[in-house]
Amino acid sequence: QVQLQQSGPGLVKPSQTLSLTCAISGDTVSTNTTTWNWIRQSPSRGLEWLGRTYYRSKWYNDYAVSVKSRVTINPDTSKNHFSLQLNSVTPEDTAMYYCAREYYDGPGRLDYWGQGTLVTVSS
Amino acid sequence: DIQMTQSPSSLSASVGDRVTITCRASQSMSTYLNWYQQKPGKAPKLLIYVASSLQSGVPSRFSGSGSGTDFTLTISSLQPEDFATYYCQQSYSSPRTFGQGTKVEIK
Repeated sequence: QVQLQQSGPGLVKPSQTLSLTCAISGDTVSTNTTTWNWIRQSPSRGLEWLGRTYYRSKWYNDYAVSVKSRVTINPDTSKNHFSLQLNSVTPEDTAMYYCAREYYDGPGRLDYWGQGTLVTVSS
Repeated sequence: DIQMTQSPSSLSASVGDRVTITCRASQSMSTYLNWYQQKPGKAPKLLIYVASSLQSGVPSRFSGSGSGTDFTLTISSLQPEDFATYYCQQSYSSPRTFGQGTKVEIK
């Protein structure tokens, strides 16, 4: 059974960096049948995919255009987790943040999700 | 980016009703369409993948159909635990995109 456990602060000051980690159990971050994703949800934006990291003989990243200049998603094979960093946050980045596994046996699907972390951007 | 449009945005239904939710994509995407259920305070849960395949453990009253640009999620007989918000999501191209959601409420 795959489980994703999120950790990180729930309050970030404007202009600072939001950092979250997603610990994986029951799978490995470097498997070639998965991608590892960050998604956020707010009343104004709904469900918004932020980006992913995945391994296909080498590591790849893929980011949403809306956050591409500010976001980094990194795998850590030694700890079997992946992380999200979002720089220069503003109150518009206030949202529930989720990590999720996208599994491929053909087309992909987001079959396992973390529990969510509510991040508030406020001074 | 592929835009996903769901209809209706919300609906009221009674236990036992047949419920249909529609999702339309801004471009053709074969059957690269997934459906999720979300309850308050919880992460989305995968129900249907590749338009019509039922995720393991999901009750058979849920079904999906469609291809190209038009897709449907059907709940054959609504149960009390099915009152939730439902989202479609495309996995045809990056960035992954979601519909705006359909809230199913008790009539």
